[in-house]
Amino acid sequence: SSELTQDPAVSVALGQTVRITCQGDNFRTYYPSWYQQKPGQAPVLVIFGQNYRPSGIPDRFSGSSSGNTASLTITGAQAEDEADYYCNSRDNSGDHLYVFGTGTKVTVL
Amino acid sequence: QVQLQESGPGLVKPSQTLSLTCTVSGASTSSGGYYWTWIRQHPGKGLEWIGYMYYSGSTYYNPSLKSRVTISVDTSKNEFSLKLSSVTAADTAVYYCARVTRSSGSYIFEYWGQGALVTVSS
Repeated sequence: SSELTQDPAVSVALGQTVRITCQGDNFRTYYPSWYQQKPGQAPVLVIFGQNYRPSGIPDRFSGSSSGNTASLTITGAQAEDEADYYCNSRDNSGDHLYVFGTGTKVTVL
Repeated sequence: QVQLQESGPGLVKPSQTLSLTCTVSGASTSSGGYYWTWIRQHPGKGLEWIGYMYYSGSTYYNPSLKSRVTISVDTSKNEFSLKLSSVTAADTAVYYCARVTRSSGSYIFEYWGQGALVTVSS
């Protein structure tokens, strides 16, 4: 099955912009989805589709994808955005497989 | 509001079968278009998709676990279950249940349970 690779960790100053990337060959068929996970909590969906946010997710979260790279951008990061972020996509082999990215730890300074 | 809740033993002995149940409220496990899914997370590690059962009864599993996994749905109880056989310490993890659906070109894990820690130890 395919893999989705993310940078292990990134840091961002309070109020600044950070972009988290996810690399893989899954995105030709399906858009990725992105999840935020805080310590001790279940993941929460933050971005899906071309660039959609579920109800309740702040508009400082946005997503994009091009070729083999998907990105999650936090514009004006807040302290509460400090968390692990995972991308996910269905494998495009047609085998009904789902793959999570390796995860990125975002630290807000 | 859709809610999912995992339940089951928190401690399983090596070589035995891990069994967890996910009780669903606010939605029906017999409704079309949903994939009733299990995911796990090893301590301090990332997320691993285990498999799902589609509302039609079709099941799909992670190839790395396929020989040991069974996912089933009991529509009369509105719950679905995970069985993982021949467990070892490497199966110690937090197990999550989730509802997956297709939306806007993505497959999304839109609702999650709170997670259940299962430790494999004698």
